[in-house]
Amino acid sequence: DAKTTQPNSMESNEEEPVHLPCNHSTISGTDYIHWYRQLPSQGPEYVIHGLTSNVNNRMASLAIAEDRKSSTLILHRATLRDAAVYYCILRPNTNAGKSTFGDGTTLTVKP
Amino acid sequence: DTGVSQNPRHKITKRGQNVTFRCDPISEHNRLYWYRQTLGQGPEFLTYFQNEAQLEKSRLLSDRFSAERPKGSFSTLEIQRTEQGDSAMYLCASSPVPVGTSSGGYTFGSGTRLTVV
Repeated sequence: DAKTTQPNSMESNEEEPVHLPCNHSTISGTDYIHWYRQLPSQGPEYVIHGLTSNVNNRMASLAIAEDRKSSTLILHRATLRDAAVYYCILRPNTNAGKSTFGDGTTLTVKP
Repeated sequence: DTGVSQNPRHKITKRGQNVTFRCDPISEHNRLYWYRQTLGQGPEFLTYFQNEAQLEKSRLLSDRFSAERPKGSFSTLEIQRTEQGDSAMYLCASSPVPVGTSSGGYTFGSGTRLTVV
């Protein structure tokens, strides 16, 4: 299964936008791009996913590069509650099973 | 549906003892996954089921680990003869089978934290 690469950590100020990058250069045509976030002592929580087009929901926006080899999760106004580890993974839209998680990006939000 | 439920939330056991964890997935989800996570690392895949069939097991899953999903609903993960290196958060997730426009996204439980002393 294809792998993703993310920066280990990022910092943001409260109320400012945050752009979290993810590289997935070996993505295949059937792979969806998924983002999850994990708070301490919790399981990962779904944030957003997309295939080719940019996506928006109440939590975030997902910008997908035209060649699909990278994507960016955008938090429009970071709050202290957005401090978490963010994971970008690929979920194949086939009968394949698991997805591989990297170590994610730890986002720190400063007041 | 209340999401994915895992029990217990915490387990402390002595080295050499057996432990069993339970996962109740979202009822409409055919797939159920077990992952293990240690501090500072992302979740590591252990195994997954589609209905009652165990379709894949990681090489991380030694012969001391066994997982079942007997009726295609809840699942159990048993660790025999626990070792200190088994201390970790054990996460369960469920998903629909990815078909068509469904991406088969995960819903995770809150995990079971195992401490082996």
